[in-house]
Amino acid sequence: EVQLLESGGGLVQPGGSLRLSCEVSGFTFANYAMSWVRQAPGKGLEWVSTISHSGASTTYFSDSVKGRSTISRDNSKNTLFLQMGSLRAEDTAIYYCAKGGPSGYYGDFDYWGQGTPVTVSS
Amino acid sequence: DIQMTQSPSSVSASVGDRVTITCRASQGINNYLAWVQQKPGKAPKSLIYAASSLRSGVPSKFSGSGSGTDFTLTISSLQPEDSGTYYCQQYDSYPFTFGPGTRVDIK
Repeated sequence: EVQLLESGGGLVQPGGSLRLSCEVSGFTFANYAMSWVRQAPGKGLEWVSTISHSGASTTYFSDSVKGRSTISRDNSKNTLFLQMGSLRAEDTAIYYCAKGGPSGYYGDFDYWGQGTPVTVSS
Repeated sequence: DIQMTQSPSSVSASVGDRVTITCRASQGINNYLAWVQQKPGKAPKSLIYAASSLRSGVPSKFSGSGSGTDFTLTISSLQPEDSGTYYCQQYDSYPFTFGPGTRVDIK
């Protein structure tokens, strides 16, 4: 059974940083692209970042987080990370990790985690 | 960026009704279109990819169609467990973008 479990969310002051983790199981992590998608309170879904499958580890970011975020993966620990800095109130959201589907297209998400909430407030 | 729009923004239908949701992309997306279901307080769940391919384990009452810029999600016989918000998403190019969502309620 495929499982994705996010952690690392919480209350952060504006200008602060945090690192989100997504530990996965039930599939060969290294073989699939992985992504982060967020959802602000009462709003829709917003793609944040994608990292390719192991090997190239090419990364992509939305303009809203580009330059202040890093996405990475530790294939030995089956874990995806999102490091975010210079946090703003508008970064307040539930952050979901999502697995790339078997089609090979990075934005084709076949499984989603339960999410970890991030609140940016003083 | 590719903009995604959906209509209607909300729909209220009876059990057993056929429900259709429309999604339009601001430019052609080569059928790289997914549909995602989200129930209140829950994580999103993938239903359909490549415009019309049903994800494994998803009931066949869900179907997708369309091409180019116009796509449709159909629920053939609405059940209480189908209530929630449905999003379309393009993955043809970065940034991947979602539609604003369609809320489906049971009368």
